[in-house]
Formats: sequence, C-alpha cells, structure tokens
Amino acid sequence: AQSVTQPDIHITVSEGASLELRCNYSYGATPYLFWYVQSPGQGLQLLLKYFSGDTLVQGIKGFEAEFKRSQSSFNLRKPSVHWSDAAEYFCAVGAMTGNQFYFGTGTSLTVIP
Amino acid sequence: EADIYQTPRYLVIGTGKKITLECSQTMGHDKMYWYQQDPGMELHLIHYSYGVNSTEKGDLSSESTVSRIRTEHFPLTLESARPSHTSQYLCASRDRATDTQYFGPGTRLTVL
Repeated sequence: AQSVTQPDIHITVSEGASLELRCNYSYGATPYLFWYVQSPGQGLQLLLKYFSGDTLVQGIKGFEAEFKRSQSSFNLRKPSVHWSDAAEYFCAVGAMTGNQFYFGTGTSLTVIP
Repeated sequence: EADIYQTPRYLVIGTGKKITLECSQTMGHDKMYWYQQDPGMELHLIHYSYGVNSTEKGDLSSESTVSRIRTEHFPLTLESARPSHTSQYLCASRDRATDTQYFGPGTRLTVL
C-alpha cells in the first residue's frame, strides 16, 4: 500500500538553529517525492521535489532534502531557520503513471526567538 | 509559479443548503484534483479529472460531485450540506511537463 509517514507531529526550534523534518514512504513504483509548505489559511506551496538523479535536492527558501532509497526516506533540512519558516510541512509521494499523490499528516513547525 | 484560484475562501452555511466551490487555473493543465484537509490529517483525494468531461472519485468517499466542462474550471458541488462536510477543501492542478501539483489557497467550509 502507498503511504507517507511523518513521525513528528510538531517540532519547535530556535531561530537560527538547524532543522530536519522526517519523511518515510511506502510506494510500489519508482517514487516521485515532494515537500510542500502551508501557512495558516493558505494552500500548499511546493518547496522542492525529487524525480531522479542527484539524491540531494535544493529547493526554495534555503531548504534541501535528501532521498535515501535504502531507508525509504526523504528528509527535509535547513541549516538556519528563520521565524518566517513557521508553518505546516507536508511530504508527498506520487508517480508519473499514477493518478494521485499521497500525503503525510504534516509536521507543524514553531520557531522561537 | 502556477495560477490556481479558489472561491470563496471562507464559507459558513446552514445544513441542507446547496453549495458550489469554485476552482480555476490558467495554465492549461489537463489534470485537476480536489482534496479534503482536516487538522492533523493527511490530505484526502475526493475527486480528480484527466481533462474535459473526465471525472473520477478518489479514495475518500464523498457526497460531493464535480464537473469538468472546460479545461480551466473544476467546480465541486454539495447538493445538501451537513455539519460533517465542515473541512478545508483544496484544489490542485498538475503540470504534465514537470509532473508537479500546484495548489490553490483553499476554501474553508463550515456547515452549521
């Protein structure tokens, strides 16, 4: 069965600290992997995506993610968090031939001064 | 950046009313989707469309219906709203070239 697990429901970090948000997936085909960010009252904005090639992908707002096939993981990282990064983050998996994407339950990020 | 619009952004309505949530995109994407999002839950696909006159139900059972008469327009209709329909509804379209979904801002629906 296809699924995405984000084990951390809520994370709190200090501004300037590093961040890692975890994502594990289960998918029968070659996965396309995505990270989205959602601010309160807004839709989802694409941060970055992995289709193939280099397993370390760069996204917008200074985020990066690393695909590890052996661990079925696609963790999101940022070296130095800004207060404006406070939001909900969703990991998703899909495929070119599939008809839908599967989303995790999200990780809520709080940034403290 | 994709342009995808949803109206209304917020809606409070009484039980039994018929409502239509609007979704439009200007990129000419063939594939469009409706998701239901509740706090602390993953997004659930309720409807999708591969193009004009093509609509399918998603994994999550829904009492809503959709239509796709034009490529750019994918409205969702609830014939008789109930409190259990209270949720956020997100519309998305998929870029065939990049295989990426782009989301609208969502409609937060409250049924009293």
